[in-house]
Amino acid sequence: GAGVSQSPSNKVTEKGKDVELRCDPISGHTALYWYRQSLGQGLEFLIYFQGNSAPDKSGLPSDRFSAERTGGSVSTLTIQRTQQEDSAVYLCASSVSEWDRDTDTQYFGPGTRLTVL
Amino acid sequence: AQSVSQHNHHVILSEAASLELGCNYSYGGTVNLFWYVQYPGQHLQLLLKYFSGDPLVKGIKGFEAEFIKSKFSFNLRKPSVQWSDTAEYFCAVNGGSQGNLIFGKGTKLSVKP
Repeated sequence: GAGVSQSPSNKVTEKGKDVELRCDPISGHTALYWYRQSLGQGLEFLIYFQGNSAPDKSGLPSDRFSAERTGGSVSTLTIQRTQQEDSAVYLCASSVSEWDRDTDTQYFGPGTRLTVL
Repeated sequence: AQSVSQHNHHVILSEAASLELGCNYSYGGTVNLFWYVQYPGQHLQLLLKYFSGDPLVKGIKGFEAEFIKSKFSFNLRKPSVQWSDTAEYFCAVNGGSQGNLIFGKGTKLSVKP
């Protein structure tokens, strides 16, 4: 079946502009995660959604970052007033359910490479 | 807080050499352990995982990992590497009330033909 998809694959923006990154999880997966991968920082957790529960935002680096998940499926990560240090690859992952430890393997999308000039 | 340490930043091997990549984690409770691989230009893929049961787990492409609870380790091994194993390898853990993965910094493996 189809995997996790993300769009756009690449985004170049100017400092100070807002960007939106999209993630389509695997159909039927109730848990959705955002991470970012940058040189020197490795892979960092940003936020995750589980069903209709309030999202865990503990990994968001600043209040310029926000995310929403509509209808329990597609998610959008928004970065306002982008800064050069926001340049990274933003990865989305989904899993069947974080509560079922036998099946909570996370499957990753190809990522969105964000470059802030 | 949980953390994951991967001891080797970059490993260079010749084909047919044996591989062992170290991974240690800090967390006192029940954990799930993962190794992901990222081939050049591709996205993260699951290599293998440990949730419970036999501490020696086998993954794709001949890789295996052993969970040693007393050492808080989950080292990745392969008896004979191939050029196509050139990639970056990430150890990750989650546990307790955390659903998100905590990743190590990654180990870049270069295999010389």
